[in-house]
Amino acid sequence: DAGVTQSPTHLIKTRGQHVTLRCSPISGHKSVSWYQQVLGQGPQFIFQYYEKEERGRGNFPDRFSARQFPNYSSELNVNALLLGDSALYLCASSYLNSPLHFGNGTRLTVT
Amino acid sequence: GENVEQHPSTLSVQEGDSAVIKCTYSDSASNYFPWYKQELGKGPQLIIDIRSNVGEKKDQRIAVTLNKTAKHFSLHITETQPEDSAVYFCAAPEGANAGGTSYGKLTFGQGTILTVHP
Repeated sequence: DAGVTQSPTHLIKTRGQHVTLRCSPISGHKSVSWYQQVLGQGPQFIFQYYEKEERGRGNFPDRFSARQFPNYSSELNVNALLLGDSALYLCASSYLNSPLHFGNGTRLTVT
Repeated sequence: GENVEQHPSTLSVQEGDSAVIKCTYSDSASNYFPWYKQELGKGPQLIIDIRSNVGEKKDQRIAVTLNKTAKHFSLHITETQPEDSAVYFCAAPEGANAGGTSYGKLTFGQGTILTVHP
């Protein structure tokens, strides 16, 4: 079975630019969550979407936004990139009341 | 919000020894506690989880114990092998279960780098 897939795997952007990260959940999973993992730290929650509605938002600025599509795939958008946005961005999916399954992430480098 | 503390930050053991990683949490309403293993270049992989209605759960060489009164839970790995070397994270959900979606919002510990020497 295919796991959570994320694209692209690596990305290099310049300060001030915009980036879109994509995630396809495990088949049948309707909940998608996004996390940011800075090197040497645990993942930090950004958003959760369930049935195309936002169900939770972490302590991130409005430059971060996301959406979920009818096929349950999701996009994370970050505007006006800062150097501090450099991180591994993880997507995770789940059934209702079930454990999160993570993808391998998108490594974003902002120069 | 939930606060999760994890110790130790690094752990070095000889192959065959046991390894124990401990976490504490702050929100007494938390009812689900997963452990993830992250290898270099990969996303976190769920290795075991426990819900608050049980005190211990085992899966082959891995076990998790939960003390709700003290608000701490621990990961135990027995007969460690070099392939157990990785970063391990504990986590807890934010607040009480709200329509079954709170499992998607986890607060993670800072991670433990486990090294198993052959």
